[in-house]
Amino acid sequence: QVHLQESGPGLVKPSQTLSLTCTVSGGSISSDDYFWSWVRQRPGKGLEFIGHIAYSGDTDYNASLKSRVKISLDTSKNQFSLKVTSVTAADTAIYYCARLRTIRITLFGELLPPRARAFDSWGQGALVTVSS
Amino acid sequence: DIQMTQSPSSLSASVGDRVTITCQASQDITKYLNWYQQKPGKAPKLLISDASNLETGVPSRFSGSGSGTDFSFTIRSLQPEDIATYYCQQYDSFPITFGQGTRLAIE
Repeated sequence: QVHLQESGPGLVKPSQTLSLTCTVSGGSISSDDYFWSWVRQRPGKGLEFIGHIAYSGDTDYNASLKSRVKISLDTSKNQFSLKVTSVTAADTAIYYCARLRTIRITLFGELLPPRARAFDSWGQGALVTVSS
Repeated sequence: DIQMTQSPSSLSASVGDRVTITCQASQDITKYLNWYQQKPGKAPKLLISDASNLETGVPSRFSGSGSGTDFSFTIRSLQPEDIATYYCQQYDSFPITFGQGTRLAIE
């Protein structure tokens, strides 16, 4: 049973960089079957996909945050990380790391690259408040 | 981005009731839709994938159906532990997007 756990500062000042790490146990992040992702939830609001990273290091980010977000992978520690630069109060949220099951689709006989499918394991979430 | 619209935003029902939530996509997403349950203070939990596939360990009173743009999620006989917010999520097109959620309460 895979387990994910977020860690990092709970308070970040405006204009600074938010940094979180997700430690994965009970399974390896070195797998082609999954992407490793971040999702956030602003207070009292719904879920917002931030981005994901594959074992290969390939990343995909939501365009709404793309210019400020970076996700990286450390296979030696079985961890992946999130950085969000130039934060404002609007970035105050619970940040979840999640394992993203992938799917391979064949189109006209060609096996396409894996694509994101379903978030099947989640961390407990880390509340990050942006405030001076 | 594909917009996912859930209905209703909230509902109240009695133990034993049949409860249905709908989710409409702004464009055809075939069957590429999942449903999650989020209890207060907890992370979401995947209940149903690919519109109708029940995840391992999820009670059979939960079910999903639909394709194209219109989907539904049903709880056959509502239990007290089902109090939560439910979200649909599409993965047909990047970025992944979620519905706004349906908050379910017990009457």
